[in-house]
Amino acid sequence: GAVVSQHPSRVICKSGTSVKIECRSLDFQATTMFWYRQFPKQSLMLMATSNEGSKATYEQGVEKDKFLINHASLTLSTLTVTSAHPEDSSFYICSASVREGRWEQYFGPGTRLTVT
Amino acid sequence: DAKTTQPPSMDCAEGRAANLPCNHSTISGNEYVYWYRQIHSQGPQYIIHGLKNNETNEMASLIITEDRKSSTLILPHATLRDTAVYYCIVKALSGGYNKLIFGAGTRLAVHP
Repeated sequence: GAVVSQHPSRVICKSGTSVKIECRSLDFQATTMFWYRQFPKQSLMLMATSNEGSKATYEQGVEKDKFLINHASLTLSTLTVTSAHPEDSSFYICSASVREGRWEQYFGPGTRLTVT
Repeated sequence: DAKTTQPPSMDCAEGRAANLPCNHSTISGNEYVYWYRQIHSQGPQYIIHGLKNNETNEMASLIITEDRKSSTLILPHATLRDTAVYYCIVKALSGGYNKLIFGAGTRLAVHP
């Protein structure tokens, strides 16, 4: 099956700094990538949808200036958490879709962010 | 997309069948039922999906009622590695972004 990787798997950063998380589709081209956030004992919450070469579409309540998403190629999307605060500590998961309208969506292993 | 309702938690003995129910009474004719699961601290894993016919693959079976208002995911011989949160999602297979919206899911605990 299709493989999606994330890097790093874990990151600890100081409050006020920015951190970048990468999401890569390893053996397929992903026209659409999705970013989710998951707090402990809660479900996944969709943050944004990104298409290669265009601006991301953010879900209601998600600050686009705080969570910068770049989908520069068909195999790479990045999420940058800017000016991180302890409340941004969470499990961030990306997923990738082969192309629009298809159901296949493959998830990465997740990145655990801890802001101290 | 239609809303789904799942029990918050279930238990199952190892080796027995695990039957996970899902209610989706407002499902539309073009909406599919998808099941994903998430093992602790990992990304979700696709299990199975269906429209109206029952479906089976190497992981599980999906039974959809005739009126399509509910479905059951069956893990025929549960193992300890099946302990996870199981999500039932209803979504139309149509053009546009196929984003998945996750509900609370069912936390399945398989015990020896």
